[in-house]
Amino acid sequence: AQTVTQSQPEMSVQEAETVTLSCTYDTSESDYYLFWYKQPPSRQMILVIRQEAYKQQNATENRFSVNFQKAAKSFSLKISDSQLGDAAMYFCAYRSMEYGNKLVFGAGTILRVKS
Amino acid sequence: EPEVTQTPSHQVTQMGQEVILRCVPISNHLYFYWYRQILGQKVEFLVSFYNNEISEKSEIFDDQFSVERPDGSNFTLKIRSTKLEDSAMYFCASSVPRDDQPQHFGDGTRLSIL
Repeated sequence: AQTVTQSQPEMSVQEAETVTLSCTYDTSESDYYLFWYKQPPSRQMILVIRQEAYKQQNATENRFSVNFQKAAKSFSLKISDSQLGDAAMYFCAYRSMEYGNKLVFGAGTILRVKS
Repeated sequence: EPEVTQTPSHQVTQMGQEVILRCVPISNHLYFYWYRQILGQKVEFLVSFYNNEISEKSEIFDDQFSVERPDGSNFTLKIRSTKLEDSAMYFCASSVPRDDQPQHFGDGTRLSIL
């Protein structure tokens, strides 16, 4: 079974600075998807960024980018120019490309942004 | 932008009672999911539903749970004979039937069992 580990329960960043959230996963599959979801205090989980395992190029969405290291099974999220609105719980998630559509989530990292 | 909507936002129920959590997925989505998040713990997959039948379920999704799409818009999760440990946030999600498309989540229903 796949597992996702987020080793940082909580992180803080100064506004306008850069922060990196860590995620590692375990799988025996070669093709899969990885996601970062953001859950602000309003509760709705919002997709931040996704990465297909077969793509070597790291995904980027505006201020959000990932460092995908397939061999190391690592998928970290970098947030540049942090804003107060980035404060939220961030979940890393895995989805198989072959066996079903369920998401397997990490425990989450609370990101606090200081002004 | 279309959203997944869930009702109610908070449900308080006596232990042993039945509860139905409701979800309206995004209209052109065909895959539907339920996840739960016990306070302080991970978000866990419960069940996925496609073409009017369960496509996958976790070991959590036992006979106490059932899902239904009673009409063309709603997707419900029924929990029979609720237990204290069913207290959690329940999230509905939906997606189009394309592998590269993500799941969209609702705001969740906080279920409190007394």
